[in-house]
Amino acid sequence: SYVLTQPPSVSVAPGKTAKITCGGIHIGSKSVHWYQQKPGQAPVLVIYYDNDRPSGIPERFSGSNTGNMGTLTINRVEAGDEADYYCQVWDSSGDHVVFGGGTKLTVL
Amino acid sequence: EVQLVETGGGLIQPGGSLRLSCAASGFTVTSNYMSWVRQAPGKGLEWVSVIYSGGSTYYADSVKGRFTISRDNSKNTLYLQLNGLRAEDTAVYYCARFQGVPGPIDYWGQGTLVTVSS
Repeated sequence: SYVLTQPPSVSVAPGKTAKITCGGIHIGSKSVHWYQQKPGQAPVLVIYYDNDRPSGIPERFSGSNTGNMGTLTINRVEAGDEADYYCQVWDSSGDHVVFGGGTKLTVL
Repeated sequence: EVQLVETGGGLIQPGGSLRLSCAASGFTVTSNYMSWVRQAPGKGLEWVSVIYSGGSTYYADSVKGRFTISRDNSKNTLYLQLNGLRAEDTAVYYCARFQGVPGPIDYWGQGTLVTVSS
């Protein structure tokens, strides 16, 4: 089965840039979606189809996807961005969904 | 306004059964790709099952043969029948709507907690 690998944690100072990676074999050939989850809440979609932002998501959030790595980039990080972030794809057969293990973003 | 409201969680003994419901509003369940995603305490998201608008169903290997996803058009409700429950099935179960394949989840419910313990 397809596996997505995320770093367990990323730390960044306020105002700096955070990059959260999502590794998978030939992930660049898939569509990657990213979710933000704060404690006690359901996840929220922040990036879809590699680099599209849903309405209401700040422009500070962006994504890229090439080769074996997808990346979520958060510019000018704010305290409110502290959360767990998950990447997600569909497997090649289109009948299974895969989530990465999640990355805890800490704002120092 | 799109809303998903899960019910049916609770404490159940190992080997027991439970049925989760997800009442949808603001859209038609049978016209969409609907899914269940779970999250064990302190752990990450785990996809459980999906039902396509055409009715095809698929399951994660960890639940295949034990869980059944279904829907009721008249009630606009999604279900997950959980049989043969194990301690490792303890989790918050989220109902979710996918924007088709290979799209993202655009709406999530608030989740319902299933605890499997004796």
